[in-house]
Amino acid sequence: DAGVIQSPRHEVTEMGQEVTLRCKPISGHDYLFWYRQTMMRGLELLIYFNNNVPIDDSGMPEDRFSAKMPNASFSTLKIQPSEPRDSAVYFCASRGAGGAEAFFGQGTRLTVV
Amino acid sequence: DAKTTQPPSMDCAEGRAANLPCNHSTISGNEYVYWYRQIHSQGPQYIIHGLKNNETNEMASLIITEDRKSSTLILPHATLRDTAVYYCIVRVDNQGGKLIFGQGTELSVKP
Repeated sequence: DAGVIQSPRHEVTEMGQEVTLRCKPISGHDYLFWYRQTMMRGLELLIYFNNNVPIDDSGMPEDRFSAKMPNASFSTLKIQPSEPRDSAVYFCASRGAGGAEAFFGQGTRLTVV
Repeated sequence: DAKTTQPPSMDCAEGRAANLPCNHSTISGNEYVYWYRQIHSQGPQYIIHGLKNNETNEMASLIITEDRKSSTLILPHATLRDTAVYYCIVRVDNQGGKLIFGQGTELSVKP
């Protein structure tokens, strides 16, 4: 397996624009997580899914953020409208139901100007 | 999940053992201790986890004190590629796999 795949790797957008980040988890994994990392706040869990169902979205900062998982092999994190303070690295991770280890993607570096 | 406390930074000489401490004095009986690391610009990487007993794998050893209030991650022969931020996390295994990261310890391995 190629691991968790995120796209794009880098995104630069203007304030007010819609941004969509994509994640393909490892095949067969039941859990999918979205994290955000900044210097000030470190790694924050935004939301996680189990079997494509959102379980805990308490980390989603505000209504401008939304996440979906339409099937077991794809998830999106959308920011609309984007703001400069959303600039961060966004990581996606997946884990199997019986596994202890979460596998992280390489992240998407988002810059909102 | 129990809170963890780690030193913000540590240095280690290349080839020597790196011993990274973690305090988790409020850990519950069913909470596991997990260690992850994050090399610059990459996603976090799982290292090892344990409940009570000491654990060893190809990457590291995990020593958990008898009262489980603290643990130490040991990299037996640190290399320059081990320079990273190391995160100690405690969590209950059946709570959906949620991992909450603290600030971690920034380990610098020096030649």
